[in-house]
Amino acid sequence: DAEITQSPRHKITETGRQVTLACHQTWNHNNMFWYRQDLGHGLRLIHYSYGVQDTNKGEVSDGYSVSRSNTEDLPLTLESAASSQTSVYFCASSESRSIPPDTQYFGPGTRLTVL
Amino acid sequence: AQKVTQAQTEISVVEKEDVTLDCVYETRDTTYYLFWYKQPPSGELVFLIRRNSFDEQNEISGRYSWNFQKSTSSFNFTITASQVVDSAVYFCALSVTYRSSGSARQLTFGSGTQLTVLP
Repeated sequence: DAEITQSPRHKITETGRQVTLACHQTWNHNNMFWYRQDLGHGLRLIHYSYGVQDTNKGEVSDGYSVSRSNTEDLPLTLESAASSQTSVYFCASSESRSIPPDTQYFGPGTRLTVL
Repeated sequence: AQKVTQAQTEISVVEKEDVTLDCVYETRDTTYYLFWYKQPPSGELVFLIRRNSFDEQNEISGRYSWNFQKSTSSFNFTITASQVVDSAVYFCALSVTYRSSGSARQLTFGSGTQLTVLP
């Protein structure tokens, strides 16, 4: 079955370290998204991509970067982790050409703790 | 700018009671989609329903029903005869088309409502 996976599921790191969270989907969806979930804020968009080589900043992109070299993967990198980036991170994907379009399907999440 | 408000932070009911989760949205776009997602204690986000802005028919799926009213910019979710397994955080979300992105859309989420169903 097609799916979207995230790894690792849990990560503890130290302030200042570079961290990369992986997201892989097998639906062949064009669109991929990264969100962070914090209490009282719901989910907030970090970065998104509408296709290979396309990346865009979301609402809370400072301190994060993404790259899209193929359809299946959108890794999220924290260049220099900060305690404020302790959160649960969700990856999602959607297909523009589907009818109806653009329902986003989410991965299981990665819980990141920055000490 | 888009905004979704879920004013109920936490709701607690006893099993078999009916419960309504409120969602109010703001957008200047005339074409948009509204969604509900469920996040059970295990943490994953489960898609429940999508409704487009041109379809104001209410929808029922088993014990779940949704009431979309454009006049009040609301998309409320009712669970009938609630069960303990309904305990979860429920998110309402809005997507609009951004001109720069063509047909693809982004989701704006509300802050969620924690529903606890007591046995």
